[in-house]
Amino acid sequence: EPEVTQTPSHQVTQMGQEVILRCVPISNHLYFYWYRQILGQKVEFLVSFYNNEISEKSEIFDDQFSVERPDGSNFTLKIRSTKLEDSAMYFCASSEAGTFEKLFFGSGTQLSVL
Amino acid sequence: AQSVTQLDSHVSVSEGTPVLLRCNYSSSYSPSLFWYVQHPNKGLQLLLKYTSAATLVKGINGFEAEFKKSETSFHLTKPSAHMSDAAEYFCVVSDLRTSISNFGNEKLTFGTGTRLTIIP
Repeated sequence: EPEVTQTPSHQVTQMGQEVILRCVPISNHLYFYWYRQILGQKVEFLVSFYNNEISEKSEIFDDQFSVERPDGSNFTLKIRSTKLEDSAMYFCASSEAGTFEKLFFGSGTQLSVL
Repeated sequence: AQSVTQLDSHVSVSEGTPVLLRCNYSSSYSPSLFWYVQHPNKGLQLLLKYTSAATLVKGINGFEAEFKKSETSFHLTKPSAHMSDAAEYFCVVSDLRTSISNFGNEKLTFGTGTRLTIIP
C-alpha cells in the first residue's frame, strides 16, 4: 500500500534555529497538509496546499512557518526561528482528490526545541 | 464551529473482552465523523468513517461505530479485543459545509485521543 513518508522521525534543534521537516506524499496525490500535535493536546490543522499555493492555513501558521513543494516529490514545512512551544509531533498528509475520505497521513516527525 | 470530545484518555481491557471508546461531537452542520488509529511509530490510519449514509459504520479490524444524532455521539466498539488493537485512537469531525465551501481544504478537528491498552 502506498505511504506518506516523513523524515526525520525525530529532530532536535536549538531555540531560534531554522528547521525543515520533509514529507514525500503519495505520488499521484495533489493536495497536501500539515498537522501537528503538542504533547497531551489535540492534533491541530496547520495548512493545506494545492496547485503550488496555500489554500488554507490556521492561526497557528504565522509568518515563522512556510511550506514548499520544491520538486515533484517533496513537500516541506519550514519553521524559520523555532520557539520552545513549537515542540510537537508534526504530521504530513496527502490526498488525491481533495476529499477527506482519502486522506493519508505520515508517521510524523517529533520536533524537540531546546 | 466543530469540536469533538473523547471522554477517556486511557482505556484498558482484557484480551477477548469488548472495547468501547467514547466520542461526542459538536457541529453546526451535518458532520462527517471518523476514527483514526495510530500504532507506535506509525502514521494515522483511517479505521472507519460516517458521511451521512448508514448510521452503523463498519471499519477495518472488526471495529464499528454508531452515529447517534440525538446523543451527538460516535462511539467506537469491538466485540473482542486483540493484543494488536493496543494503540492510540482519535475521533475526528469534519464539518460537511466547510468541506464543500472549501473544496480541497480538509480541516479535520481531532479529539485528544484515547490510549487503548490490552491486558493479556
